[in-house]
Amino acid sequence: GQNIDQPTEMTATEGAIVQINCTYQTSGFNGLFWYQQHAGEAPTFLSYNVLDGLEEKGRFSSFLSRSKGYSYLLLKELQMKDSASYLCAVKTPNDYKLSFGAGTTVTVRA
Amino acid sequence: DADVTQTPRNRITKTGKRIMLECSQTKGHDRMYWYRQDPGLGLRLIYYSFDVKDINKGEISDGYSVSRQAQAKFSLSLESAIPNQTALYFCATSDQSASPYNEQFFGPGTRLTVL
Repeated sequence: GQNIDQPTEMTATEGAIVQINCTYQTSGFNGLFWYQQHAGEAPTFLSYNVLDGLEEKGRFSSFLSRSKGYSYLLLKELQMKDSASYLCAVKTPNDYKLSFGAGTTVTVRA
Repeated sequence: DADVTQTPRNRITKTGKRIMLECSQTKGHDRMYWYRQDPGLGLRLIYYSFDVKDINKGEISDGYSVSRQAQAKFSLSLESAIPNQTALYFCATSDQSASPYNEQFFGPGTRLTVL
């Protein structure tokens, strides 16, 4: 089975940094995705990690440790438009399905 | 124009009714997926298809059926809708040859309410 855990909610101030953690226990691993989802909208792809380490993409960075079953998404210089849910998803080998965590709702306050 | 479209966007129906949700894509991807999203539960996979002749059950397929009419079209049916099928439904596509990440691209969603 797949078990993917992330915090339910986080609040941060505009201009600050927020780190969203994701831990996973899955039957196989073939990469980890982070998606952003604004309320009532479709999830959109943010980042992908398959090897250990940090991937940086502008204000967003994602880290993976396969031995610890752990990833985080780092959002820097927070803007109001970053208020959204952030979904962690693990890709399983062979069938390429995604298993999603429940999502973390980030609220950015002025 | 949107690459992945879903119709209808909103639907209210009654218990016992048959309903079909449709998904079309212009991305040329071979893989298509149906998910439902419920508050606090995240996205859960209902069915997926890797090509027109390949249909696979996901983790919550009971009460649902699908049809892959063409590479670009993947429909989800609720044979006899029940209230606990009230949810936000998403279609998604992917193609390993299109991107090194093989990320999934999601449609705008269909909000279904079963009374």
